[in-house]
Amino acid sequence: QVQLVESGGGVVQPGRSPRLSCAASGFTFSSYGMYWVRQAPGKGLEWVAVISHDGSNKYYADSAKGRFTISRDNSKNTLYLQMNSLRAEDTAVYYCATHDSTLLIQAWGQGTLVTVSS
Amino acid sequence: QLVLTQSPSTSASLGASVKLTCTLSSGHSSYAIAWHQQQPEKGPRYLMKLNSDGSHTKGDGIPDRFSGSSSGAERYLTISSLQSEDEADYYCQTWGTGIPVFGGGTKLTVL
Repeated sequence: QVQLVESGGGVVQPGRSPRLSCAASGFTFSSYGMYWVRQAPGKGLEWVAVISHDGSNKYYADSAKGRFTISRDNSKNTLYLQMNSLRAEDTAVYYCATHDSTLLIQAWGQGTLVTVSS
Repeated sequence: QLVLTQSPSTSASLGASVKLTCTLSSGHSSYAIAWHQQQPEKGPRYLMKLNSDGSHTKGDGIPDRFSGSSSGAERYLTISSLQSEDEADYYCQTWGTGIPVFGGGTKLTVL
């Protein structure tokens, strides 16, 4: 059974640089690409970044380009999102998700809340 | 530019059926989509992948009450025998040219 568990959220001051993690189990992590998707309070789903199964391809939303970095460690079955220069508008629940061969999401984590506030 | 359009809200009665629509923008009628459900205060849950020919693959544990169909650029999610726990936001998602795309979501209220 696919399990994705995010961690690393909390209250963060503007300008700080937290790193989110997503621990994966129940499937062959190294065979699947992964997403970070966020949801601001009361809003819809917004993709943040996508990484291929081997980390060779990465895609970023405009809101994340130049500030966020997606990475993975297949030896640890873990996905990461390094977030730099956080702003109030980055406040959201951050979900990791895995996608199938056609890049459609097929499983979600439970999310971790990041609140950017001084 | 690939856009997915969903009605913001709809409602249906307990025990009835409801059909939610996700519309692909012009020129993208062959694209497959995924449907996701988000119950209040919970994370999203993958429901199914829906192809342009109407064939679909559901996620583990998704009840038979949930089904998908397609017509042209329209992708449908039908929920039959509505239950209170079906009250949720429903999102469609696909992959465009190098980027993923989400619809704005439809809020389903079960009366």
